[in-house]
Amino acid sequence: SQELEQSPQSLIVQEGKNLTINCTSSKTLYGLYWYKQKYGEGLIFLMMLQKGGEEKSHEKITAKLDEKKQQSSLHITASQPSHAGIYLCGADLLGHSNYQLIWGAGTKLIIKP
Amino acid sequence: EPEVTQTPSHQVTQMGQEVILRCVPISNHLYFYWYRQILGQKVEFLVSFYNNEISEKSEIFDDQFSVERPDGSNFTLKIRSTKLEDSAMYFCASSPNGGAGYEQFFGPGTRLTVL
Repeated sequence: SQELEQSPQSLIVQEGKNLTINCTSSKTLYGLYWYKQKYGEGLIFLMMLQKGGEEKSHEKITAKLDEKKQQSSLHITASQPSHAGIYLCGADLLGHSNYQLIWGAGTKLIIKP
Repeated sequence: EPEVTQTPSHQVTQMGQEVILRCVPISNHLYFYWYRQILGQKVEFLVSFYNNEISEKSEIFDDQFSVERPDGSNFTLKIRSTKLEDSAMYFCASSPNGGAGYEQFFGPGTRLTVL
């Protein structure tokens, strides 16, 4: 079964519009990480969340972790072409070790001009 | 800004050959990792390494694989007798410490193609 599910799988958004990507686990998320990947390239760290209810923002991207620590959302405000790419959530899950990250399948974001 | 580097960026090899993928982690980091991503699939954990030994490894990391920190800067992944299904992007990462709460810094990856 999928331990970390991301939705949607892909998203096409008009430039300037807002969007939200979700990451859900059946287990408690001990640490939740958001990364961005351009196709065929490396992973760029965006944000890390640890505490239930925590919210962090960087430029136009806001990430939240719910109180139960089983769901995180990534919200982009006023999307720009530079936001296009694949967004991955990775997590330390209870029941796994603290060293490895378990990953979602990714959300492919396309920004239409 | 310090970054993780990986060489080569693309490696093509024949099935059955051995390959060594190289990584230079960020200099003051203590934990090192290898992940792989088969095209179109999820990123998968392979192994973590601390204090010159493996901390944890996944089921994927069988006897075909080995890791080494041959000197103070390099961290290598060796794949003996490569198979077609080893074709993937291999990412190296490092973190200042292990466990939740520490960002893992990723390199740009090595694309391995096994023919």
